[in-house]
Amino acid sequence: SYVLTQPPSVSVAPGQTARITCGGNNIGSKSVHWYQQKPGQAPVLVVYDDSDRPSGIPERFSGSNSGNTATLTISRVEAGDEADYYCQVWDSSSDHRGVFGGGTKLTVL
Amino acid sequence: EVQLVESGGGLVQPGGSLRLSCAASGFTVSSNYMSWVRQAPGKGLEWVSVIYSGGSTYYADSVKGRFTISRDNSKNTLYLQMNSLRAEDTAVYYCARAADGYNYLDYWGQGTLVTVSS
Repeated sequence: SYVLTQPPSVSVAPGQTARITCGGNNIGSKSVHWYQQKPGQAPVLVVYDDSDRPSGIPERFSGSNSGNTATLTISRVEAGDEADYYCQVWDSSSDHRGVFGGGTKLTVL
Repeated sequence: EVQLVESGGGLVQPGGSLRLSCAASGFTVSSNYMSWVRQAPGKGLEWVSVIYSGGSTYYADSVKGRFTISRDNSKNTLYLQMNSLRAEDTAVYYCARAADGYNYLDYWGQGTLVTVSS
């Protein structure tokens, strides 16, 4: 089965840029989606199809995907961005199933 | 406005059964891909199951043969029948929508907690 690997934690000072990676075998050939989850809340889609943003998501959130790594970039980080972030792909190679990365805790220093 | 409201969670003994419901409004369940995703306490997200608009269903290996996803078009509601429950099934269960033909989850419910314990 397909595996997505994320760093457990990323720390960044307010106003700086945070980059959260998501590794997977030839992930560049897949569409990667990113979710933000704050404590006690349901996940929220922040980037879909590698780099598109749903309406209402600030332009500070962007994504890229190439080779074996996809990246969520959050520019001008704010205290309110502190949350867990999960990458996700759809694995239809052998069976149809969703795959999530293990999640990354973003801490705003 | 799109809304998803889960219900049916609770405390159940190992080996028991539970049926979760997810009532949708603002869109038609049968015209979209609907998934269940769970999150064990303090852990990450785990995809559980999907039902496509055409009716095909798929499951994670961890629940295959024990869980059944279904929908009632007349009630615009998604279900997850969970049998032979184990302690490791303890989690918050979310229902989520993916627009037909897409595989990102654009709307999520608030979740319902299932606790499997004696």
